Amino acid sequence: DIVMTQSPDSLAVSLGERATINCKSSQSLLSSTNNKNYLGWYQQRPGQPPKVLISWASTREFGVPDRFSGSGSGTDFTLTISSLQAEDVAVYFCQQYYNSPLTFGGGTNVEIK
Amino acid sequence: QVQLQESGPGLVKPSETLSLTCTVSGGSTNINYYNWIRQPPGKGLEWIGYIRSTGNTDYNPSLKSQVTISSDTSKTQISLKLSSVTAADTAVYYCAAGAGYRIEYWGRGTLVTVSS
Repeated sequence: DIVMTQSPDSLAVSLGERATINCKSSQSLLSSTNNKNYLGWYQQRPGQPPKVLISWASTREFGVPDRFSGSGSGTDFTLTISSLQAEDVAVYFCQQYYNSPLTFGGGTNVEIK
Repeated sequence: QVQLQESGPGLVKPSETLSLTCTVSGGSTNINYYNWIRQPPGKGLEWIGYIRSTGNTDYNPSLKSQVTISSDTSKTQISLKLSSVTAADTAVYYCAAGAGYRIEYWGRGTLVTVSS
């Protein structure tokens, strides 16, 4: 199984400041066939299902604000919220879909400082 | 826009079989993988398995002996059966769908508690 390790477990950021979440996979998620990284980022607000923010490591889903960005390749990935808003309080998960079994990071809880 | 709705009993007794249904509507022609994913209260996400539009299935090895995922021929009803449940199977169960392994749509989830 591919193990996904997120850091930090929790993060407190002031409104308008940058939040950075890291995700490391135990093996490369980069396909040599299509040069894509099989890595997604999700946001889960309290009491709600996960919402897809980013696919292919860096492609924002339709309707996701541009303050959210994904970067990285291979085994190391980052989700950045450039200017934290109150509605961004949530748990963020990374997930690999390179192979089965699909696996998720443990989650990062983002709060307002 | 695909919509997914989970349904089933909210309470299951230990050692019994958990049975849930996911109703799929608003179909998209590129959606061909239907997953079940669970989340114990206050914890992270665990992939249970999927069924493809071809009918092929794949399960998490950690749950493989307990799990059966099936569907009707039109893929409007996706079923999950989890046998011999224990308290550790208490979780919110989500139905999720996408093109290939990439998940694009999630249901709202349903809480199943295992307790006598």
